[in-house]
Amino acid sequence: DAGVIQSPRHEVTEMGQEVTLRCKPISGHNSLFWYRQTMMRGLELLIYFNNNVPIDDSGMPEDRFSAKMPNASFSTLKIQPSEPRDSAVYFCASSSLAGGYNEQFFGPGTRLTVL
Amino acid sequence: AQSVTQLDSQVPVFEEAPVELRCNYSSSVSVYLFWYVQYPNQGLQLLLKYLSGSTLVKGINGFEAEFNKSQTSFHLRKPSVHISDTAEYFCALGPSGTYKYIFGTGTRLKVLA
Repeated sequence: DAGVIQSPRHEVTEMGQEVTLRCKPISGHNSLFWYRQTMMRGLELLIYFNNNVPIDDSGMPEDRFSAKMPNASFSTLKIQPSEPRDSAVYFCASSSLAGGYNEQFFGPGTRLTVL
Repeated sequence: AQSVTQLDSQVPVFEEAPVELRCNYSSSVSVYLFWYVQYPNQGLQLLLKYLSGSTLVKGINGFEAEFNKSQTSFHLRKPSVHISDTAEYFCALGPSGTYKYIFGTGTRLKVLA
């Protein structure tokens, strides 16, 4: 298996632009997580999907952030409009079952820089 | 409320020396505990996990951790480190019955030649 795939790996954009991050989870996994990592705040869970349904989006910082999972093999995280403080590394992770005992498999991340 | 504390933000150690990375947790419910490693410019990779049973857990790359319920700790150890172990290490807590991981702030291990 190729593991969790994220694209792009790096994104540089200007403030106010729309940014779309993409994730392909591991085949057969039914849970998907979006995280944000910054030096100041560490790893933060943004949103959690189970069977393509958003279960918990309480970590999404603002209405500028939105996430979708149209099918079991694809998810997007969109920021519109982007701001410099959104600069971070965004990780997608997938897991085979909901529940804290299951390993989450992380993608390589997307490093976002908003100028 | 649950929390994870990694007391050391950075740990320098010489090659072939032993190392211990500390992790303490707080939870009112039973938990599962994990250690992840993040190499530069990469995602997180599972090192080991404690779900139940033996309190000494062995993981990949020669790492092991011991679950101590009375001290609410889950320290990570390796008897002899290599340069290639230089990375950031995250302790995580998964409260039973939930999907959420609670991550510590990470410990940056730097192995010196």
